[in-house]
Amino acid sequence: QSALTQPASVSGSPGQSITISCTGTSSDVGSYNLVSWYQQHPGKAPKLMIYEVSKRPSGVSNRFSGSKSGNTASLTISGLQAEDEADYYCCSYAGSSTYVVFGGGTKLTVL
Amino acid sequence: QVQLQESGPGLVKPSQTLSLTCTVSGGSISSGGYYWSWIRQHPGKGLEWIGYIYYSGSTYYNPSLKSRVTISVDTSKNQFSLKLSSVTAADTAVYYCARGRRNLDTAMVGGFDYWGQGTLVTVSS
Repeated sequence: QSALTQPASVSGSPGQSITISCTGTSSDVGSYNLVSWYQQHPGKAPKLMIYEVSKRPSGVSNRFSGSKSGNTASLTISGLQAEDEADYYCCSYAGSSTYVVFGGGTKLTVL
Repeated sequence: QVQLQESGPGLVKPSQTLSLTCTVSGGSISSGGYYWSWIRQHPGKGLEWIGYIYYSGSTYYNPSLKSRVTISVDTSKNQFSLKLSSVTAADTAVYYCARGRRNLDTAMVGGFDYWGQGTLVTVSS
């Protein structure tokens, strides 16, 4: 069982917006602005999409945005495109004994 | 452009030690500002953080693996390495090396921005 809870799957039609949630606790997501999100296509390495809750690395589309409220972080993808279909993972710093925890992953299907 | 490349045996026998090396190009491990990390993914499963090391040699490990894990760095070769002892079939996974961005305020990782392609390690006799 993963430390951070994500929905197993979400879906949306091209052009729509979807949001993926990532629920942790006051020991990880709730205490630090160190949440990151990764996109992983089959057989490929994960790709950083969002870091430090809402910052976008250079080269990542501005259709991807991140936010946090309390113990829950969220990734929103607007203007869904076929190439967004992938697995998405959240990750958080979790303090000085656990350090890093990942979510179980969410499979995004573009209908 | 920073690139990371894992190398090491793809097959390890049970009870032996898994050893992998990550070679970094396009940037220096010694430059600071990053944590050099190992992350694995069991077949068809999610990501699991194993641990990371700062260029100074400070290490941070997943508590569930800590008793079996050693991560080291060789700045002269711009490489860092993973050793996982007493492996079992449960350690069969794709192992990734990755660079963690060091947050200036907390000095901890805010995200893993560069990843190797991953290497499948199978534990089997």
